[in-house]
Amino acid sequence: AQSVTQLGSHVSVSEGALVLLRCNYSSSVPPYLFWYVQYPNQGLQLLLKYTTGATLVKGINGFEAEFKKSETSFHLTKPSAHMSDAAEYFCAVSRSGTYKYIFGTGTRLKVLA
Amino acid sequence: EAGVAQSPRYKIIEKRQSVAFWCNPISGHATLYWYQQILGQGPKLLIQFQNNGVVDDSQLPKDRFSAERLKGVDSTLKIQPAKLEDSAVYLCASSPRGAGEVNTEAFFGQGTRLTVV
Repeated sequence: AQSVTQLGSHVSVSEGALVLLRCNYSSSVPPYLFWYVQYPNQGLQLLLKYTTGATLVKGINGFEAEFKKSETSFHLTKPSAHMSDAAEYFCAVSRSGTYKYIFGTGTRLKVLA
Repeated sequence: EAGVAQSPRYKIIEKRQSVAFWCNPISGHATLYWYQQILGQGPKLLIQFQNNGVVDDSQLPKDRFSAERLKGVDSTLKIQPAKLEDSAVYLCASSPRGAGEVNTEAFFGQGTRLTVV
């Protein structure tokens, strides 16, 4: 069975500071990993994804994530937070992209001026 | 390219009433998903279709929820009768390829926010 754990339901950072949102997964098969962002009253928008190949993946809006198999992690980072990054972020796992997407419980990012 | 369309955006009903949600996926997408997102939680898969067949409905409360995808295009999700705990956002998503093939992204609609009072 697959599962996703997001550590920290709420994260606050100052504008310009590093953003680090944590995601750990459990999967018995090679996973596909995703980060989605959800703005208020909106659907989910894909930030970035890991399928195969390079373990450091770059996404939209300056975000990136690194797949670390030994740590079963896929943490999301951004060097400098912007006010517009305030949203809820969801990590998800899929069994090699052929099956359902399983989401974590989400991390709400607050950016302080 | 048009995105995933859902309607209505908001719905308020009394408990024991029935309600239906509609989803039109991105044109040509074979796989369609319905997710339930309760406040403060991540989306949970209710049902997954490939074309007009059900791939996974293991978490669909079948005593009150039903879904169909006629002609393998748009889909409706129905709740009858609704309970207070059904209050949530119902998200529809689609992916271009079918089950057993590699899907590298699910595209989500804006969701329908259901409030049961």
